[in-house]
Amino acid sequence: EDKVVQSPLSLVVHEGDTVTLNCSYEVTNFRSLLWYKQEKKAPTFLFMLTSSGIEKKSGRLSSILDKKELFSILNITATQTGDSAIYLCAVDQGGSEKLVFGKGTKLTVNP
Amino acid sequence: DSGVTQTPKHLITATGQRVTLRCSPRSGDLSVYWYQQSLDQGLQFLIQYYNGEERAKGNILERFSAQQFPDLHSELNLSSLELGDSALYFCASSPHPSRGGETQYFGPGTRLLVL
Repeated sequence: EDKVVQSPLSLVVHEGDTVTLNCSYEVTNFRSLLWYKQEKKAPTFLFMLTSSGIEKKSGRLSSILDKKELFSILNITATQTGDSAIYLCAVDQGGSEKLVFGKGTKLTVNP
Repeated sequence: DSGVTQTPKHLITATGQRVTLRCSPRSGDLSVYWYQQSLDQGLQFLIQYYNGEERAKGNILERFSAQQFPDLHSELNLSSLELGDSALYFCASSPHPSRGGETQYFGPGTRLLVL
């Protein structure tokens, strides 16, 4: 059965801390891995990763994929209260066009 | 704002009832996806339509059905509702040809509460 597992499920940090969110997967026909940020309602797209070892970066956020070990990490440096959200990892299965989501990591950044 | 609209925003109904959720994709997008997000199951893919035709099916119950109309809007019908159907229902759209998940844009969701 296809599955995406995220850890930790919940994380509470202080502003300025650096956090690492984990995502491991077991799916057939892997095409890409995606990270989304979900604040109040709709998930918003952060990154798409298709190749191992290539870091994607956007400001204080960065992500990398390891296709051999079947996992990805999302790093957030110098966290801010606005980073508080649920971070979702999803795997895109080529051919089916559906996304398999993990249950998310709820990040809370306290001032 | 992703450009995907969903109505209604909130829906409260009773067990055994039937409801219809509506989604309008971004202008020009031909594919519509429906997802269910519950506290214990996370975000789960239900069904995808492309240009009016069903294209992919996920964990969609037989009590649920969907369709995409000629103007590309989509409706998700949920019948014989149970308490466990309470969840956030998201619609997402993507252009054709779909290049993968990065081009799925999510709507704001419909929060369904079954009492």
